[in-house]
Amino acid sequence: GENVEQHPSTLSVQEGDSAVIKCTYSDSASNYFPWYKQELGKRPQLIIDIRSNVGEKKDQRIAVTLNKTAKHFSLHITETQPEDSAVYFCAATASSNTGKLIFGQGTTLQVKP
Amino acid sequence: NAGVTQTPKFQVLKTGQSMTLQCAQDMNHEYMSWYRQDPGMGLRLIHYSVGAGITDQGEVPNGYNVSRSTTEDFPLRLLSAAPSQTSVYFCASSNLQGSGYTFGSGTRLTVV
Repeated sequence: GENVEQHPSTLSVQEGDSAVIKCTYSDSASNYFPWYKQELGKRPQLIIDIRSNVGEKKDQRIAVTLNKTAKHFSLHITETQPEDSAVYFCAATASSNTGKLIFGQGTTLQVKP
Repeated sequence: NAGVTQTPKFQVLKTGQSMTLQCAQDMNHEYMSWYRQDPGMGLRLIHYSVGAGITDQGEVPNGYNVSRSTTEDFPLRLLSAAPSQTSVYFCASSNLQGSGYTFGSGTRLTVV
């Protein structure tokens, strides 16, 4: 069935270091891969996304890479800051093309000042 | 343009009571969905809809009903509240072409 695995579940880095979160999806028909950031007590917010016809996308300090062959995609945050501390979720479209997203389990990122 | 509006923001119910969580969007999105999020947990899909008159179950549908009579609204009904339904509920919408969800601000529900 449709599945997205996300690792690690927790990640602690020093301010200024880079952070990488990895996801694997099961359905080769998935074609859209968004990443969400959820701060404590808030709703998930879309921070970056990538489509299956693109291998990499950057937006300032964040980037996402996609390897369709391996069915992997990753979130890279450079020069981390304390305000990057949050839970991050990856997601992939379900093959049924209904708009439905399959979410990973989430990664709690802690950036230590 | 309000996006996705959820009401109420907080609710306390007694075991056995019923209630409806409201969700409305003004972006003409075909897809709408309900998730629950328990402390330290991810997002679990309850029900979803790809258009008016069409609904389907997610991974945790038991104890919840939905309907989609209009494109804009997707209410979630708790039939007989149980303490296990204590959670934060998020409504989300998107178009069918595969774009990021827009989430509502959430409803924090406590069942005592």
